[in-house]
Amino acid sequence: EAGVAQSPRYKIIEKRQSVAFWCNPISGHATLYWYQQILGQGPKLLIQFQNNGVVDDSQLPKDRFSAERLKGVDSTLKIQPAKLEDSAVYLCASSSPGTDNKLFFGSGTQLSVL
Amino acid sequence: LAKTTQPISMDSYEGQEVNITCSHNNIATNDYITWYQQFPSQGPRFIIQGYKTKVTNEVASLFIPADRKSSTLSLPRVSLSDTAVYYCLVGDGGGGFKTIFGAGTRLFVKA
Repeated sequence: EAGVAQSPRYKIIEKRQSVAFWCNPISGHATLYWYQQILGQGPKLLIQFQNNGVVDDSQLPKDRFSAERLKGVDSTLKIQPAKLEDSAVYLCASSSPGTDNKLFFGSGTQLSVL
Repeated sequence: LAKTTQPISMDSYEGQEVNITCSHNNIATNDYITWYQQFPSQGPRFIIQGYKTKVTNEVASLFIPADRKSSTLSLPRVSLSDTAVYYCLVGDGGGGFKTIFGAGTRLFVKA
């Protein structure tokens, strides 16, 4: 079974530039999550999707971050404009009631904002 | 929201049994306890999940006392490859906003 796919693996940008991350969850997983993990900390949930609808985005900095999951499969997370403090690993995860809601994570995108 | 407390770091030697304890004093009746493992440059990986008493799989055991205010992840005979960060989560078993990753426990296994 293929895992959660994320791209790019690494991204370096300058502050005030924009960046986008892509995620393809495990086939059949209706729930998709985006996490932000700053070095030395645990992952912090940004947004949760159920199919193509947003379950909760209360921790997403909406002035600069946006996310969509238009067809209920792939998802894109965008930052515009980026700030230095956005430097982190952005992890995508998916889950399904059929697997007891366990989280399956991708390898993440490491973002460096200079 | 149920908050968890774990040791920041632990050291061990190859072949030893490692026990990592997590405190979750305000765990709710319908909350599960889930542990994840994270290696550098990878996303967390599910290890084990339980509700009460003891759960064992091919990787680890999870001990949960009757009051469920704490839990212990037990890794038998660790190897160098078990060096990782281990997270204890309390929630409905999924990744929703009721489930919070803390800073985790950094386990370092030495030869």
